[in-house]
Amino acid sequence: EAQVTQNPRYLITVTGKKLTVTCSQNMNHEYMSWYRQDPGLGLRQIYYSMNVEVTDKGDVPEGYKVSRKEKRNFPLILESPSPNQTSLYFCASSNRGSNQPQHFGDGTRLSIL
Amino acid sequence: QKEVEQNSGPLSVPEGAIASLNCTYSDRGSQSFFWYRQYSGKSPELIMSIYSNGDKEDGRFTAQLNKASQYVSLLIRDSQPSDSATYLCAVTDRGSTLGRLYFGRGTQLTVWP
Repeated sequence: EAQVTQNPRYLITVTGKKLTVTCSQNMNHEYMSWYRQDPGLGLRQIYYSMNVEVTDKGDVPEGYKVSRKEKRNFPLILESPSPNQTSLYFCASSNRGSNQPQHFGDGTRLSIL
Repeated sequence: QKEVEQNSGPLSVPEGAIASLNCTYSDRGSQSFFWYRQYSGKSPELIMSIYSNGDKEDGRFTAQLNKASQYVSLLIRDSQPSDSATYLCAVTDRGSTLGRLYFGRGTQLTVWP
């Protein structure tokens, strides 16, 4: 089954404790992206990647890191999480090109205390 | 910063009515347009894509695009309570190879029996 898999689905942690949210897709997609979704603010892009070893900042990259060492994986790293990073996070992937729709993972709900 | 504007709603319609959702975008060079449906706490799922001016129909859904007016809409005919969700308009970047999506904040639709 074609899918985008995120882990964990839920996480409660404390300020400053490094965490990684994994994202994996099995569709051989070149493009992968991370979004956060907050009430009233919609989906905002954090980082995206056009291909292996190619990443770029989205609209809200501060406090986040990413890497793309393999085509299928695109982890999101919070080196020193803070409460303002409490949010619902989505990973998405697509084939390259402006007419390609993005496929979303099920989401990760992070709470930073 | 690309702007994608939607009425936040909530939009409330009776079962069987037509629901009309609207979206405007700021980048005249945008090439591809998508409508996603998102149930509360779930990930966005693609319901329609449209790339050229005019109407595109898929079952009860019709997407309408007017590039001159920078306007895209979604009509839902014979609305059902199961259509109650937030509808996200998404627009691609001008560059055809990038595939970046810019989302509106969504319109919340409620269909009452």
